[in-house]
Amino acid sequence: SYVLTQPPSVSVAPGETARIACGENNIGSKSVHWYQQKPGQAPVSVIYHDTDRPSGIPERLSGSNSGNTATLTISRVEAGDEADYYCQVWDSNNNRVIFGGGTKLTVL
Amino acid sequence: QVQLVESGGGVVQPGRSLRLSCEASGFPFSHYGMHWVRQAPGKGLEWVADIWYDGSNRYYSDSVKGRFTISRDNSKNTLWLQMNSLRAEDTAVYYCARDIYVSGSYYFDNWGQGTLVTVSS
Repeated sequence: SYVLTQPPSVSVAPGETARIACGENNIGSKSVHWYQQKPGQAPVSVIYHDTDRPSGIPERLSGSNSGNTATLTISRVEAGDEADYYCQVWDSNNNRVIFGGGTKLTVL
Repeated sequence: QVQLVESGGGVVQPGRSLRLSCEASGFPFSHYGMHWVRQAPGKGLEWVADIWYDGSNRYYSDSVKGRFTISRDNSKNTLWLQMNSLRAEDTAVYYCARDIYVSGSYYFDNWGQGTLVTVSS
């Protein structure tokens, strides 16, 4: 069964680049999806299928996935990017959805 | 536009039951698989259950299997989660979410606003 490991927190100054990792053995063979959740709100899809952005999501957000780590990268970080971010995969062997533990992004 | 509206949450005693509803609009409900995802206070997201677009298959997390039942009525554009034998650890905000299948995987492109279930005596 999959266990997706994310750092509990990432801090970055405005204008810098934030990288949020999602680790699992051979995660590069899976399709990874990312969600942003702001306090008191429902999650929002920001990256799907490793690298694709839903409409309305700025190009500053991008994804990559290789080997044992998938990464959500947020360039030119803004105060409005402060949120919790979750990675997710589909465990086809067991027909279940797996979420990472979530990463709190703090904009200094 | 796509709308998912949950209802039915509240305070319930341990061991009792509760049924959540999710009313869908703005898209052909019968074409999409649907899921329930929950979030305990201050915690991360936890997948609960899903049901295929036609109701033919249902899957559950180990934590709720045998206690919760997911169902849908495509004629009413409604998804339900029947929760029995509730426990304190079931306390959470429950979201319904629409899935999209892409390259052998599923992700959630739309979520409801959530409904809070509190299990407490």
